[in-house]
Amino acid sequence: EDKVVQSPLSLVVHEGDTVTLNCSYEVTNFRSLLWYKQEKKAPTFLFMLTSSGIEKKSGRLSSILDKKELFSILNITATQTGDSAVYLCAEIQGAQKLVFGQGTRLTINP
Amino acid sequence: NAGVTQTPKFQVLKTGQSMTLQCAQDMNHNSMYWYRQDPGMGLRLIYYSASEGTTDKGEVPNGYNVSRLNKREFSLRLESAAPSQTSVYFCASSFPSGGGTDTQYFGPGTRLTVL
Repeated sequence: EDKVVQSPLSLVVHEGDTVTLNCSYEVTNFRSLLWYKQEKKAPTFLFMLTSSGIEKKSGRLSSILDKKELFSILNITATQTGDSAVYLCAEIQGAQKLVFGQGTRLTINP
Repeated sequence: NAGVTQTPKFQVLKTGQSMTLQCAQDMNHNSMYWYRQDPGMGLRLIYYSASEGTTDKGEVPNGYNVSRLNKREFSLRLESAAPSQTSVYFCASSFPSGGGTDTQYFGPGTRLTVL
């Protein structure tokens, strides 16, 4: 089964910094790549990426997919303490199966 | 809409006991999923149901059974719980369009401890 690998696994920065989270995937049955934010409970949806090179943006968060190099990045600018969470990326393969990466635990210190 | 709901929120079992985790969604989604989440392992798919009446194994199905009772409900059963099944369990649902818009919506999770 295809693997999804996220890096770094853990990141600690100061409020106001910009962070880039990475997600690499394999391609056997690729359909889309999803980013989620998980605080204390269930993951909440951030972005879905299907096409290469098209940036998705929501406030201070943005994400882009590179289908040639098989990776995606999630950028967060001007970080705030409320951005502290585990960020998950997941690949949709074939018939609706989702494969998750291990997650990146982001901590924003005041 | 309540979205995806799960019961119970917490459960403690002894080794060998059985229990059923309940999941329901009110978004008229066709597909439903059960995941477990362990520290450092991310989310792993246990079983999924592409549509009412069908179920398929995911990455880690051993020790579990599922029932897609109707379009709304998808239950996960542990017949003989083991300490290795201590985890947080998430149910999710989606409405596959076939056009790459298969966002999954998650329930709040069930924290299960097996002693």
